[in-house]
Formats: sequence, structure tokens, C-alpha cells
Amino acid sequence: GDSVTQMEGPVTLSEEAFLTINCTYTATGYPSLFWYVQYPGEGLQLLLKATKADDKGSNKGFEATYRKETTSFHLEKGSVQVSDSAVYFCALSSYNQGGKLIFGQGTELSVKP
Amino acid sequence: DAMVIQNPRYQVTQFGKPVTLSCSQTLNHNVMYWYQQKSSQAPKLLFHYYDKDFNNEADTPDNFQSRRPNTSFCFLDIRSPGLGDAAMYLCATSRPPGTGSPRLTDTQYFGPGTRLTVL
Repeated sequence: GDSVTQMEGPVTLSEEAFLTINCTYTATGYPSLFWYVQYPGEGLQLLLKATKADDKGSNKGFEATYRKETTSFHLEKGSVQVSDSAVYFCALSSYNQGGKLIFGQGTELSVKP
Repeated sequence: DAMVIQNPRYQVTQFGKPVTLSCSQTLNHNVMYWYQQKSSQAPKLLFHYYDKDFNNEADTPDNFQSRRPNTSFCFLDIRSPGLGDAAMYLCATSRPPGTGSPRLTDTQYFGPGTRLTVL
């Protein structure tokens, strides 16, 4: 079945460092891909999405490109801030499962001043 | 602003005492979901409604029930909470794409969650 694999955390970076969180997927068809962010004690917020190959989603300095050839959707940010500390979830919308969201396991990011 | 609202944000109940969690939305979305999330693990889908059509996940315990009286509101009822039901409960909404399979869904928008503690 469809699945998402994320880079394991926790990831600890210094402020202004470059961030990459790897995400790869297995899916039949052409899923939509998402990154959600969860701040402590909060629900999930949509960070960005891409709906077809080569689309780039971007928001708040974060970017991810839908790469069908490598089945990847890696999250990047050029300069992280302490306020980016959160858990990041990669997800796909599964055509085979009626559009359900299939989540990766989540990656905890901690940014130190 | 259009949004997904969950009440209460924090709920404490006793072992075996029924509890109801509430979700409302101003997005006018057809589809509403309930997820359970433990310890920053990935959310686990319990069930969803497509309008009034209820869809239960195969592994959702019978202890969990849901009601959707209208488009805006959806409730999660836990009939006899156990210690293992302590978790964050997340509500989400989405609309289906305009054409194609009605079961395909668009982006899901989540509420802030209700943290359930079972004593």
C-alpha cells in the first residue's frame, strides 16, 4: 500500500542553519503531497503542498519540490529560526485509499539560539 | 477567518466515564475527520464523514462513536474511556475535488486539538 518515509529525528540545528528534512513516498497513481507542521500542544497546520510532478510548494521560507523520478518531497529552509522548532509531518493523499492522508512518522526539529 | 474549532482544548475524565469532544467548522467543507494522536506520533484516522455518510476505519475500537448533526458540527463520543485512550484528538475538514471520484479529498485543515486525560 501507499506509504511515506521521513528522515528520523530529532534534528537539532543552530539558528540560521540550513534545514533539510527528507521525505520519500511509495504510491500508485499521482498523489498530492503535503508538509504539515505541529507546534507543541497544537494541531497540525498545513505548511505547503504540491499536487503534481515538478510542482514546488513554498511558504514562510520553506520549500519542497514534488520529484516523481525519485519519489521524494524533501523539505528545505535556508535559514531556520528558533520559532521553527516543531514536529514536521510529510503526507500524501492516497488515491487508492479514497483520498486519505498517509503520514510519515514525523521529524522533530529543535533550533537553538 | 474561516477555521476549524475544537472544544474543549483540554478535557479530563475518569476511567469509564463517557466523554464527548466537539468540532465545528466555518469552512463549509463536506468532509470531516477525527484523528487520534499519541506523543507526537503521526495522527491515526478513526473515522470520517462525507456529508452524512459515516466511514469507520477497520481498526477503530467500538468504544469510539461519532455524530454529525449538520455540516458545521461533528462530535466524538468515547463511551468508556480507558487509560490507553489518553491522547490528543484532532478534527480535520476538507472538500472533495470539484470533479471525479467523490471519495477523493482535497487538502485537510486541522483544528487545534483536544488533549484528553483519563484518570
